[in-house]
Amino acid sequence: LAKTTQPISMDSYEGQEVNITCSHNNIATNDYITWYQQFPSQGPRFIIQGYKTKVTNEVASLFIPADRKSSTLSLPRVSLSDTAVYYCLVVYGGYNKLIFGAGTRLAVHP
Amino acid sequence: EAQVTQNPRYLITVTGKKLTVTCSQNMNHEYMSWYRQDPGLGLRQIYYSMNVEVTDKGDVPEGYKVSRKEKRNFPLILESPSPNQTSLYFCASFGGWEDRTDTQYFGPGTRLTVL
Repeated sequence: LAKTTQPISMDSYEGQEVNITCSHNNIATNDYITWYQQFPSQGPRFIIQGYKTKVTNEVASLFIPADRKSSTLSLPRVSLSDTAVYYCLVVYGGYNKLIFGAGTRLAVHP
Repeated sequence: EAQVTQNPRYLITVTGKKLTVTCSQNMNHEYMSWYRQDPGLGLRQIYYSMNVEVTDKGDVPEGYKVSRKEKRNFPLILESPSPNQTSLYFCASFGGWEDRTDTQYFGPGTRLTVL
């Protein structure tokens, strides 16, 4: 199972774009890259998922280079309510378990 | 509304007193899973189930049991709770890859304290 590495914490200000990079050097061919968001005392919430290149939804964008050894979650124009922990996961396409790392604690300041 | 429910939300108990945390989902998902979350350790998987009567260990299964007699329910059982099982527990369900439902839905969490 692929192990992920992401920064422990990041700080930003309202209105800025935030990019959180995750490395997953031993990602396998069938693996997908998934990001979750978690607020204190709540369950994680799915944000976005991708396999390669770029994926965009109403919340975020996910950039995945050709070698897929890393990925970057991009949050446009963050607000205070984006303060949360963000988890990068590599999920085997056939799925049997998810491995959550320590996540990145994002603090958005006024 | 698609949801995963857990009960109880908060529980304080004593060492050795058997307890069950229930989990139910209304999405007809095949995959269900239990996680525990501890400060500095992130989310760790306890058990998962790929379908009715099919369960398997996650990363930290010691001290826990599960059962999957119905598709919608996946209870977590602590036969003899100990203080090191004090944690925040999450149940999750997942529709699987066949219909491209890529999201795991998490319940609201159960905060367990074992004295």
